[in-house]
Amino acid sequence: NAGVTQTPKFQVLKTGQSMTLQCAQDMNHEYMSWYRQDPGMGLRLIHYSVGAGITDQGEVPNGYNVSRSTTEDFPLRLLSAAPSQTSVYFCASSYGPEGGQPQHFGDGTRLSIL
Amino acid sequence: ELKVEQNPLFLSMQEGKNYTIYCNYSTTSDRLYWYRQDPGKSLESLFVLLSNGAVKQEGRLMASLDTKARLSTLHITAAVHDLSATYFCAVDGGTGGGADGLTFGKGTHLIIQP
Repeated sequence: NAGVTQTPKFQVLKTGQSMTLQCAQDMNHEYMSWYRQDPGMGLRLIHYSVGAGITDQGEVPNGYNVSRSTTEDFPLRLLSAAPSQTSVYFCASSYGPEGGQPQHFGDGTRLSIL
Repeated sequence: ELKVEQNPLFLSMQEGKNYTIYCNYSTTSDRLYWYRQDPGKSLESLFVLLSNGAVKQEGRLMASLDTKARLSTLHITAAVHDLSATYFCAVDGGTGGGADGLTFGKGTHLIIQP
């Protein structure tokens, strides 16, 4: 049981490039989320999904797109990378609305934009 | 907009001492989570608190929730070096189960010295 798997673990991009951060979970969780973590800022929600085909914006969605075509996968796309998007990105998943279960986090993708 | 404030943000303490980390939040919620993060690592779930008056304990850590005061505490008893980490509280202000993502505090960076 792999849990939440994020790829790549590290990435360096040039300003203006695009890329996709991958996230997959094998726990059949309905809910999936993307966060970014910056020093002294805690984690901030970028986008989230409550099920396949359903996504919505979080606190800091600008510059990012998501889609959820399957229950397992929730990729995050950077459309045109900017230095302000240098951060550590975490994907998380959890069960449905019953509560009582924490979000499970992947190991993160460390992204640097030059 | 849901706001979550942790204090202190930085804490250096000696082994064997007791201390409390505070987490205040701005809107009504009865679902609060505590996570631990080691440097360069992912987030590990510590406690899930789901109702007013909830208290959970694991080893030297005890968490409680007062929904009327919108306050959660993480108490450390007889600290040991292995508890050095960053601790985050996170509040679920949505429909439950983290469907709308979580709002995190900025984290408390805890250093426990011999």
